[in-house]
Amino acid sequence: KQEVTQIPAALSVPEGENLVLNCSFTDSAIYNLQWFRQDPGKGLTSLLLIQSSQREQTSGRLNASLDKSSGRSTLYIAASQPGDSATYLCAVKNGGATNKLIFGTGTLLAVQP
Amino acid sequence: EPEVTQTPSHQVTQMGQEVILRCVPISNHLYFYWYRQILGQKVEFLVSFYNNEISEKSEIFDDQFSVERPDGSNFTLKIRSTKLEDSAMYFCASRAYKDEQYFGPGTRLTVT
Repeated sequence: KQEVTQIPAALSVPEGENLVLNCSFTDSAIYNLQWFRQDPGKGLTSLLLIQSSQREQTSGRLNASLDKSSGRSTLYIAASQPGDSATYLCAVKNGGATNKLIFGTGTLLAVQP
Repeated sequence: EPEVTQTPSHQVTQMGQEVILRCVPISNHLYFYWYRQILGQKVEFLVSFYNNEISEKSEIFDDQFSVERPDGSNFTLKIRSTKLEDSAMYFCASRAYKDEQYFGPGTRLTVT
């Protein structure tokens, strides 16, 4: 059974720092991995999607990498800003005849001005 | 930019009552999903829907739950007889042929 874990559970950094959020999954036979942002009491905003055949994806200050064989993904945020403060979730879609996303526990990020 | 919308944003109901949560997916999307998030817990998959039928459901999605696409735009989740443990944030999501799922803002369901 696929399990997705995110470390750390919470992170506080000063504005301007570069930071890395980690996501690990137990079954490497994934189809893709998606990173989301969740603001308090709000919905999920898709940030990046990486297919299993890809190594990384970039969008603005965000870069997500995927090492499928080791069951890991990282989300790199460059030059963090207070507006980046949110919970970041990763989710995997397994290979085979399944459509569902399996979510991680999330990392609560606080960027201090 | 097109987005998934959900109504209501907050629903309070008494235990045993029926509730219907509504979603309008992105217009050209073909795959529809419901997920839920109990406070402080992970987002959990409930059900996926494609071509007017359920394509996958989790063990949470028992006989108390049903989904429907009553017309060309709405996608609904019905809970027949709500329990206290159904209190959660319910998210609707949709996708086109591409793999990225787009989520709505959620409906907070409070069962008293």
